[in-house]
Amino acid sequence: DARVTQTPRHKVTEMGQEVTMRCQPILGHNTVFWYRQTMMQGLELLAYFRNRAPLDDSGMPKDRFSAEMPDATLATLKIQPSEPRDSAVYFCASGLNGDEQFFGPGTRLTVL
Amino acid sequence: KQEVTQIPAALSVPEGENLVLNCSFTDSAIYNLQWFRQDPGKGLTSLLLIQSSQREQTSGRLNASLDKSSGRSTLYIAASQPGDSATYLCAGLGPGGYNKLIFGAGTRLAVHP
Repeated sequence: DARVTQTPRHKVTEMGQEVTMRCQPILGHNTVFWYRQTMMQGLELLAYFRNRAPLDDSGMPKDRFSAEMPDATLATLKIQPSEPRDSAVYFCASGLNGDEQFFGPGTRLTVL
Repeated sequence: KQEVTQIPAALSVPEGENLVLNCSFTDSAIYNLQWFRQDPGKGLTSLLLIQSSQREQTSGRLNASLDKSSGRSTLYIAASQPGDSATYLCAGLGPGGYNKLIFGAGTRLAVHP
């Protein structure tokens, strides 16, 4: 049963701390997306990778957020330093050649 | 800028009813359209994908259609069940091969026995 996995599922941290979220895309998928979901803004695209290359990170606050794909089986989203306004659910999704996107269960981040 | 509107925002119906959820885009140049289901505290589950060459897709009791000329999509749920209770989101993919999905705010559905 191929699924996108994300760790951790929940994270509570204090303002100023570094947060790293990890995603394992479905094996064989060549596109990876990071989304953020909040009650106020809904779902927003933060970053997009194709064949491990970053193609769009215009939705991401550049000064504190960074996204990477060290290899085809791992994508990371890092926030440093974290702020209370970063509290949200962060989803990773993967797909093949830009068709159907499959979402992971999300990481619920709370920054105190 | 592409914006997506979903109507209604919330819906509460008795079990067994046939339902229609609507989704519209400000820019009708939609390449792909995907409908998702989200249960409380969970991720998104892909329900149906309508690709650029298609006009509708069916899966079980679900049928989704896309009218590209008007930029509107409809999700039809037949014989609704309490297990269908969730938030339903539509998302459109712009042309040019860019895989950026633009999401609507969702329709929150409650089906009661």
